[in-house]
Amino acid sequence: DAGVIQSPRHEVTEMGQEVTLRCKPISGHDYLFWYRQTMMRGLELLIYFNNNVPIDDSGMPEDRFSAKMPNASFSTLKIQPSEPRDSAVYFCASSRRLENQPQHFGDGTRLSIL
Amino acid sequence: GQQLNQSPQSMFIQEGEDVSMNCTSSSIFNTWLWYKQDPGEGPVLLIALYKAGELTSNGRLTAQFGITRKDSFLNISASIPSDVGIYFCAGLIQGAQKLVFGQGTRLTINP
Repeated sequence: DAGVIQSPRHEVTEMGQEVTLRCKPISGHDYLFWYRQTMMRGLELLIYFNNNVPIDDSGMPEDRFSAKMPNASFSTLKIQPSEPRDSAVYFCASSRRLENQPQHFGDGTRLSIL
Repeated sequence: GQQLNQSPQSMFIQEGEDVSMNCTSSSIFNTWLWYKQDPGEGPVLLIALYKAGELTSNGRLTAQFGITRKDSFLNISASIPSDVGIYFCAGLIQGAQKLVFGQGTRLTINP
């Protein structure tokens, strides 16, 4: 079975530009999570969806960040405008249920904002 | 704030040695997960634990869900070079809806 698929794997762009990260969860998984990983703060949950509906976005850093899940097989995380401090690895994960089921991670998008 | 304490932060061992790492918290957990992350890749699930006292093995890896539900450990027996990486514990606190992650244990193996 295919795992969580993220694109692009790497993104380098100048500050002020719009960045869109994409994720395809594992088929049949009702939950989708967006995380950010940095050396200083480790893995941080940004937002998660259940059945395409955002449930908790309290981890989204600020209004420059937005996430959508238009259908069960696709989600985007958008940063507009991007800033150098947004540089990090962004992971998408999915799971069948919130409890008693593990989250499976994609390989991440390494984002560098110059 | 940080709700999980993972230790040690790093380990330098010889190939063939056994490894032990753990995560502790003051909170009660319903789920413990152990992941391994290689450079440039996402965390890969190693072992999932859902019941207090549960002891689960995956090859040379063994993990346990602590009886108090506040801790978990991961053991690796007879380490090999491909065990190098960062190991993370993650847990779902009772009544919460978000996984919390440990800071990671970086394992380095000298051949």
